[in-house]
Amino acid sequence: AQSVTQLDSQVPVFEEAPVELRCNYSSSVSVYLFWYVQYPNQGLQLLLKYLSGSTLVESINGFEAEFNKSQTSFHLRKPSVHISDTAEYFCAVSDSGGTSYGKLTFGQGTILTVHP
Amino acid sequence: DTGVSQDPRHKITKRGQNVTFRCDPISEHNRLYWYRQTLGQGPEFLTYFQNEAQLEKSRLLSDRFSAERPKGSFSTLEIQRTEQGDSAMYLCASRQNSYEQYFGPGTRLTVT
Repeated sequence: AQSVTQLDSQVPVFEEAPVELRCNYSSSVSVYLFWYVQYPNQGLQLLLKYLSGSTLVESINGFEAEFNKSQTSFHLRKPSVHISDTAEYFCAVSDSGGTSYGKLTFGQGTILTVHP
Repeated sequence: DTGVSQDPRHKITKRGQNVTFRCDPISEHNRLYWYRQTLGQGPEFLTYFQNEAQLEKSRLLSDRFSAERPKGSFSTLEIQRTEQGDSAMYLCASRQNSYEQYFGPGTRLTVT
């Protein structure tokens, strides 16, 4: 079984400030890791993913996340946020071995609010 | 690629009524998932289809819930004798061979 803990339910931040959204996971098997973003009244959109290779992954809109196997973490960071980054962010894991058919286990979500 | 679509987007029903939701995945995607998201929580897995075969069901999927995917294309999720605890957002996602799932906009169910 797998579990995901997002350590902050809400993160308020001022525009152009850096932000870190924390995610820790627990799993007895190797995992793939994902960050999804959900804007108000919209579906989940994939922000970035770690499947293999470099432990630092980046999105096209300036977010990055680093897979840390020893600390079982996959924290999301952005050096300078915009008002438009206001949304709810979900960390998720899936079993990389294929025995769970790729289903995702999500954390509880972190609401990022960027203030002007 | 028109994305994953779900219908209806909102459904209000009275307790005890049956409801059915539809999901149309991205056309070439053979794998389809249903998730449920309640307020303040992340989505929780309900069931998985590979083509037309339902290969996994969560314990969250009680006997009142049934899902189908005839011909391996669209999928339906039916809830019989709805209860207030069924109020949630029901999300559908699909994927091909990569592990990246594409989500639809969801169906928000309110049971009164």
